[in-house]
Amino acid sequence: AQKITQTQPGMFVQEKEAVTLDCTYDTSDQSYGLFWYKQPSSGEMIFLIYQGSYDEQNATEGRYSLNFQKARKSANLVISASQLGDSAMYFCAMREGRSGNTPLVFGKGTRLSVIA
Amino acid sequence: GAVVSQHPSRVICKSGTSVKIECRSLDFQATTMFWYRQFPKQSLMLMATSNEGSKATYEQGVEKDKFLINHASLTLSTLTVTSAHPEDSSFYICSARESRVMNTEAFFGQGTRLTVV
Repeated sequence: AQKITQTQPGMFVQEKEAVTLDCTYDTSDQSYGLFWYKQPSSGEMIFLIYQGSYDEQNATEGRYSLNFQKARKSANLVISASQLGDSAMYFCAMREGRSGNTPLVFGKGTRLSVIA
Repeated sequence: GAVVSQHPSRVICKSGTSVKIECRSLDFQATTMFWYRQFPKQSLMLMATSNEGSKATYEQGVEKDKFLINHASLTLSTLTVTSAHPEDSSFYICSARESRVMNTEAFFGQGTRLTVV
């Protein structure tokens, strides 16, 4: 079974509008971390936001917020006030356990296009 | 924030030659680094976990003799693609995490776009 599922291959959003990118995960670990990364066409991976499994509050970082619903195992990314520069691939990822030796597992990504 | 530097960013090599890619953590120590491969329009797939001072751990299906990983210091891991073939053409990207800090994000290098001709 896939660990991370992103069901939206592509999304369009009007500039200045908000958009939600979906992510569901599968793990039996009690301790895990959820991440969102942005990958522009240059290829670099830009860290956006992190949510720990024990965090009670939804994470927020500027225009990014993470809608964490633990019982549903979902960690959707919400981008508010979209900008043209937000057009990129967005990857949801998970690290299981608390060890630094566990790698991130990525979803297939969602390509976001912001329209002027 | 922490910086991971990857070099080269682009490389074109002839079939049958070897290519070395470096991944450096510039301002932190990383006992563990990870190497990923990304084909066009696909996700990042973990190739191997690089452990300082010990052998790398390879994912199933990744040839360890073809993709040589060396993690000789706490700030440097190298990936060598040996006897490269056109099917090895891909985007390779490394990541590292500060050793002593829990629950932090992994920082990524800029990636290396390898083209084998």
